[in-house]
Amino acid sequence: DAGVIQSPRHEVTEMGQEVTLRCKPISGHDYLFWYRQTMMRGLELLIYFNNNVPIDDSGMPEDRFSAKMPNASFSTLKIQPSEPRDSAVYFCASSLRAGEYNEQFFGPGTRLTVL
Amino acid sequence: KNQVEQSPQSLIILEGKNCTLQCNYTVSPFSNLRWYKQDTGRGPVSLTIMTFSENTKSNGRYTATLDADTKQSSLHITASQLSDSASYICVVSARGSQGNLIFGKGTKLSVKP
Repeated sequence: DAGVIQSPRHEVTEMGQEVTLRCKPISGHDYLFWYRQTMMRGLELLIYFNNNVPIDDSGMPEDRFSAKMPNASFSTLKIQPSEPRDSAVYFCASSLRAGEYNEQFFGPGTRLTVL
Repeated sequence: KNQVEQSPQSLIILEGKNCTLQCNYTVSPFSNLRWYKQDTGRGPVSLTIMTFSENTKSNGRYTATLDADTKQSSLHITASQLSDSASYICVVSARGSQGNLIFGKGTKLSVKP
């Protein structure tokens, strides 16, 4: 398996523009997680899905952030409008099942810079 | 409040030397603790997982310890190599959680020749 795939790897945009990040989880994994990583705050969970259904979106910072999972092999995280403080590395991760013992496998991340 | 604190924030060592990274947590009820390695520009990769009843686990040159009474863990790296240069993140799961992990901010290790 190719692992979790994310695109783009790097995104530079201007404040106010819409940004869409994409993720393809590992085939057969039922859970998908979106994280944001900054130097100040480390890794933070934004939202996670089970079988394409959002389960917990309490980490989504504002209404400007939205996430969808239209099918088992694709998810998007959208920021509209983007702001400079959204600059961070965004990771997608997937796991076979939920529960505290199930390992989450991370993608390579998307480095977002908002000017 | 569930928290994971790591020390030091950064560390520089010479190739071939040993080092130990520390992790303190206040997560309750505790389920397990993982150490992740994150290479620059990559996503984190799990190195070890320890449950309440385990106090040591090895993965090659990496040895993790857990003291559930004092809520402390350490990651010891033996005979460091240049490829060990990375951030090491301590991650704790609470019992009954459905995937909510509590992350430390990581220790950035640089191994110099």
